[in-house]
Amino acid sequence: AQTVTQSQPEMSVQEAETVTLSCTYDTSESDYYLFWYKQPPSRQMILVIRQEAYKQQNATENRFSVNFQKAAKSFSLKISDSQLGDAAMYFCAYREDSNYQLIWGAGTKLIIKP
Amino acid sequence: DTGVSQNPRHKITKRGQNVTFRCDPISEHNRLYWYRQTLGQGPEFLTYFQNEAQLEKSRLLSDRFSAERPKGSFSTLEIQRTEQGDSAMYLCASSWSGAQNEQFFGPGTRLTVL
Repeated sequence: AQTVTQSQPEMSVQEAETVTLSCTYDTSESDYYLFWYKQPPSRQMILVIRQEAYKQQNATENRFSVNFQKAAKSFSLKISDSQLGDAAMYFCAYREDSNYQLIWGAGTKLIIKP
Repeated sequence: DTGVSQNPRHKITKRGQNVTFRCDPISEHNRLYWYRQTLGQGPEFLTYFQNEAQLEKSRLLSDRFSAERPKGSFSTLEIQRTEQGDSAMYLCASSWSGAQNEQFFGPGTRLTVL
């Protein structure tokens, strides 16, 4: 069965600095998608960034970028120039190409220090 | 359209009572998903619909849980004979069909079973 592991329950970073959140996953599939979702204190999940496994190029969205290492089954999120509004729970999620259910990690709480 | 909506936002009930939650997806979306999230954990998949057809159910969805999506629009999730272990946030998401399409989440319904 596929699993997603986030080994950092909590991370803190100084405002304007860079932080990296870790995620590893286990799968025997070759075609799949990986996601980072943000869940602010209001609890609504928001998609931050998505990576297709068949793409070698790492996805980027403004200040957010990923380091996707397919062979190592690693998918980390880098947040540059951290802002107070980035404070939230961050969840890593996995989905097979042919299956629409998302499989989630336990989350990392990101604290931004002003 | 303002996104996925869920009602009620909070529900407190006594053990043994039945509860029903409603999800209104983004109107153009034909897929609808239910997830359950307990405190400090990532969401867990419960079930999903394509139009009015329920295509997949998790083993987490015991006989006390039932979900419907009449006419392929809104969906309801009913829990019969609630137990304290049912206390959680119940999240609804919707998307277009197609592997690349993002799931958009609602704010969730927080259930507390006393």
